[in-house]
Amino acid sequence: QQPVQSPQAVILREGEDAVINCSSSKALYSVHWYRQKHGEAPVFLMILLKGGEQKGHDKISASFNEKKQQSSLYLTASQLSYSGTYFCGTGVGGSARQLTFGSGTQLTVLP
Amino acid sequence: DAGVIQSPRHEVTEMGQEVTLRCKPISGHNSLFWYRQTMMRGLELLIYFNNNVPIDDSGMPEDRFSAKMPNASFSTLKIQPSEPRDSAVYFCASSLGGGLYEQYFGPGTRLTVT
Repeated sequence: QQPVQSPQAVILREGEDAVINCSSSKALYSVHWYRQKHGEAPVFLMILLKGGEQKGHDKISASFNEKKQQSSLYLTASQLSYSGTYFCGTGVGGSARQLTFGSGTQLTVLP
Repeated sequence: DAGVIQSPRHEVTEMGQEVTLRCKPISGHNSLFWYRQTMMRGLELLIYFNNNVPIDDSGMPEDRFSAKMPNASFSTLKIQPSEPRDSAVYFCASSLGGGLYEQYFGPGTRLTVT
């Protein structure tokens, strides 16, 4: 079953913060975050694993709430380059290799 | 490394024709995934291989679709016969081991069936 992402779209000004959520009805083992720019392939951002710590690099970080089967992606002091569609991909079970992707959140950063 | 390579990048064909999409994964990666992306359905997993063996093809829409991975460096996705509703961007991705590792996506093949 496909994870649910919210919001579907967000528009913000350069320097503002944003949060994107990803929820699943299944017990998750891993959550992946990818960003896709228009006309390009999805690009990996980070993985969060069950029992793992919050991850982050630069001004993008993410958390994984195992009790709620929910992950959140935090974009701090957004830059124009952050614009794109963000997808979460969820994995069920440590041996599971395939991911189920959410429908995406379209993020637009304006100058 | 050149990354995941897909060919062709664009394909326009007529309904009923056979279409073959090709993928070369990153050397050393043992998992390969085929995805289809449309506005209506988003990013859907069609099939994935582990060590050249198809593991889960439950996402393949119907018998018109078939995929092979004859060796570790090459995979094909074939549609025969093609239909207009197959129009989409098809991505190939590879990874070191699946759920615990990032997936590297190829540039995609934009398929248009008229």
